[in-house]
Amino acid sequence: AQKVTQAQTEISVVEKEDVTLDCVYETRDTTYYLFWYKQPPSGELVFLIRRNSFDEQNEISGRYSWNFQKSTSSFNFTITASQVVDSAVYFCALSEAATSNYKLTFGKGTLLTVNP
Amino acid sequence: ETGVTQSPTHLIKTRGQQVTLRCSSQSGHNTVSWYQQALGQGPQFIFQYYREEENGRGNFPPRFSGLQFPNYSSELNVNALELDDSALYLCASGTWGKNTEAFFGQGTRLTVV
Repeated sequence: AQKVTQAQTEISVVEKEDVTLDCVYETRDTTYYLFWYKQPPSGELVFLIRRNSFDEQNEISGRYSWNFQKSTSSFNFTITASQVVDSAVYFCALSEAATSNYKLTFGKGTLLTVNP
Repeated sequence: ETGVTQSPTHLIKTRGQQVTLRCSSQSGHNTVSWYQQALGQGPQFIFQYYREEENGRGNFPPRFSGLQFPNYSSELNVNALELDDSALYLCASGTWGKNTEAFFGQGTRLTVV
């Protein structure tokens, strides 16, 4: 069975600080996808990134970066120079490649609060 | 703006009643999945429809059922509502085979009293 663990329930930082959100996953599949989604108070899940299990390259997109380490089954997300608009709940998710990108197993989420 | 819209936004029902939630996807999205998100939890997969057939189901009882229509809309039906069914219900759609992410709607907040 698949499982995603986000050990940090809540994180509070001051604007401009860097913050890392942790994600650890479990799966018996050799091919899978990992995702990060952002959920602002409006409720809609906003897609941030998808990573294929065969691609361990780290990725940077503006202030966001992701560190995928298969050896430790982790897919951590770092926000550099955080801003108040980054305040939201962030979810890490996993899907088996065979079942497409639409059957996702989510972690419980990390509530990030960025204070001015 | 994902192009996926859900209705209604909020809904209050009484225990034992039945409810229908609706989702309208982008044109061309042949796959839709539904999720239940309890307060303070991550979304949980209910089921998925591909070309109007259910092709995957999570750990939810049969009183949760769905339909997908040719016009890229879909429904989630819940019978015999229980208090624990109170949650945010999210639909996500996409095009199977195009290797794109799921596009989520803004959700329907269901309260069962």
